[in-house]
Amino acid sequence: KQEVTQIPAALSVPEGENLVLNCSFTDSAIYNLQWFRQDPGKGLTSLLLIQSSQREQTSGRLNASLDKSSGRSTLYIAASQPGDSATYLCAVRNTGGFKTIFGAGTRLFVKA
Amino acid sequence: NAGVTQTPKFQVLKTGQSMTLQCAQDMNHNSMYWYRQDPGMGLRLIYYSASEGTTDKGEVPNGYNVSRLNKREFSLRLESAAPSQTSVYFCASSEAGPNMNTEAFFGQGTRLTVV
Repeated sequence: KQEVTQIPAALSVPEGENLVLNCSFTDSAIYNLQWFRQDPGKGLTSLLLIQSSQREQTSGRLNASLDKSSGRSTLYIAASQPGDSATYLCAVRNTGGFKTIFGAGTRLFVKA
Repeated sequence: NAGVTQTPKFQVLKTGQSMTLQCAQDMNHNSMYWYRQDPGMGLRLIYYSASEGTTDKGEVPNGYNVSRLNKREFSLRLESAAPSQTSVYFCASSEAGPNMNTEAFFGQGTRLTVV
C-alpha cells in the first residue's frame, strides 16, 4: 500500500530564504508526482507535475525533483516571500490504477 | 475558466440527514474524484469515476454513494450523515490518458459539519 509522508509538518522561515520541502513515498511504481499549494479555506492549486520518467520540473522560483528509486521528491522554493505562506501537498499517482495518494502537507509560514 | 465547480461551499447537517454534494467540470476530462480532507491526514479518496458510466471505491467509501451523471458531473451523496463525516470535501478531475500522466485539477471544496 502506497504511503506518502511529508516532513516537516510545519516550517517558519524569514523572507528571502531558500527552502526545501520533502516528500517520501513507499512504492516506487508511480506514474507521476504532483505538488500542490493550498491556501487556508481554499482548494488545491497545482504547482508542478513530474512524470515518472523525469527527474525534475521548474516553474519560476519553484523546482521539484523526483528520485523514484529512493522514493523521494523535494520542492525547492528560492527567495521565499510572505505570499508563499500556504500548505504544500505532494501527491503520487500509482501505476495500475487511478488512485492518487496524498501526503498530509507541510504548512509554510514566511515572515516579512 | 471555471475548471472544477463544487456546490455548496458550506453546509451544516443534523445527524441522520441526507444531502448531495455537486461537482461539475468544464475541461472535458474523463476521470473525476471525490476526496475528503481531515486535519493532519491529507486528502483521502472516497470514490472515483475513471470514465463516464463507471464508478469505483477509494480508500474511505463507507457512508457515501456517488453518481456519474454525465461526463461533466459527479455527485457525492451522504444518505444518513454522521458526525464522523464532518470534513472538507474536494472534487477533482483529470484527463486519464493511456499512461495516466496527467495533472489533476481541484474544486474549491465543501466544508461540511454534521452536528
